[in-house]
Amino acid sequence: SQQGEEDPQALSIQEGENATMNCSYKTSINNLQWYRQNSGRGLVHLILIRSNEREKHSGRLRVTLDTSKKSSSLLITASRAADTASYFCATRIQGAQKLVFGQGTRLTINP
Amino acid sequence: DAGVIQSPRHEVTEMGQEVTLRCKPISGHNSLFWYRQTMMRGLELLIYFNNNVPIDDSGMPEDRFSAKMPNASFSTLKIQPSEPRDSAVYFCASTLAGGTNQPQHFGDGTRLSIL
Repeated sequence: SQQGEEDPQALSIQEGENATMNCSYKTSINNLQWYRQNSGRGLVHLILIRSNEREKHSGRLRVTLDTSKKSSSLLITASRAADTASYFCATRIQGAQKLVFGQGTRLTINP
Repeated sequence: DAGVIQSPRHEVTEMGQEVTLRCKPISGHNSLFWYRQTMMRGLELLIYFNNNVPIDDSGMPEDRFSAKMPNASFSTLKIQPSEPRDSAVYFCASTLAGGTNQPQHFGDGTRLSIL
């Protein structure tokens, strides 16, 4: 079964608005990572948050992690048309090297 | 800097044929991962290597699939014989194995269609 599940599956907003995507997972983790995938391309790493961190920022991205609820959120502020893509969370489970990816959120930014 | 390079980008072949997908990881990376992506099942890890040695192949669907990494700069994923249900996008990713907080770097994938 999937370690990470994302919500919503699809999100459509107007340019300039903020976009929030959520990820839930099941087991203890070392870190949680967010990736972006543009159509026809590979995944691109956006940001990594360690299990002992609660919040992290990178440019217009803000990630939170709540290990007690086993959940994370990705906030993209002041969205742009170029942010249109699928966004995936991935968890690195304790004691394992591999990542387990969620099903992704399809984000559409309307001009 | 060159990223992860996969070839071919697209492959269309008839069922029963052998298919070989290729990957060149980022120079200096010592872990390599093969994934398969479909609409139904999402992104699935098939196998990964550390220092050219297969570590976990539990995601390989069946014996028709095999993967090799003869050296640090090259890996192949082979399907023989291919079936229509193998149609998917196959990604290769590489990373540094040393720490726990290294991101993975993905190639642009091979879109495989088995007729």
